[in-house]
Amino acid sequence: SQQGEEDPQALSIQEGENATMNCSYKTSINNLQWYRQNSGRGLVHLILIRSNEREKHSGRLRVTLDTSKKSSSLLITASRAADTASYFCATPSGGSYIPTFGRGTSLIVHP
Amino acid sequence: KAGVTQTPRYLIKTRGQQVTLSCSPISGHRSVSWYQQTPGQGLQFLFEYFSETQRNKGNFPGRFSGRQFSNSRSEMNVSTLELGDSALYLCASSWDALGARETQYFGPGTRLLVL
Repeated sequence: SQQGEEDPQALSIQEGENATMNCSYKTSINNLQWYRQNSGRGLVHLILIRSNEREKHSGRLRVTLDTSKKSSSLLITASRAADTASYFCATPSGGSYIPTFGRGTSLIVHP
Repeated sequence: KAGVTQTPRYLIKTRGQQVTLSCSPISGHRSVSWYQQTPGQGLQFLFEYFSETQRNKGNFPGRFSGRQFSNSRSEMNVSTLELGDSALYLCASSWDALGARETQYFGPGTRLLVL
């Protein structure tokens, strides 16, 4: 079963706008990771946020983690056409460190 | 450093055949994990190898197997291919065994089509 689930499934915005996607998970976690995948290619690691952290930034990316709500959000500011991709959250599950991926949010940024 | 490389990038096989996929991790990385990605099931963990030993295994049938060599390169094998094995197979490496602080770096994947 899926540990993390992203929302929305699809997001379409104009270049320059901000994009926010959310991830909800079911059980306690040690960390949560966000990845990007361009069409049919490998995943690129974006950010790892640990359970004792509430917010992390990396360039135009901002990730928040709310362990009380078992949710995380990824904000991409001033989006670009090159940000068009699928975004996945991954959380360990089942008491192990094996990351379980959600179904992803498909982001389309129109130039 | 060179990234994770996977060969071949594309493969077409027929039902009943077997296939071997190869993964070269980032230099110095000792852990290699394999994932299967399909539109229906999403990304699913197959197994992890660390120091030539299988450390974790996902919920896949025994037709899926793997191994890791002393130089950390890894191969996965799928025997008696089924149509449902058509997928993108992703390899990921990390410096240490999967843990709370480890980040995985993914290769470009091998796209397998079973006819």
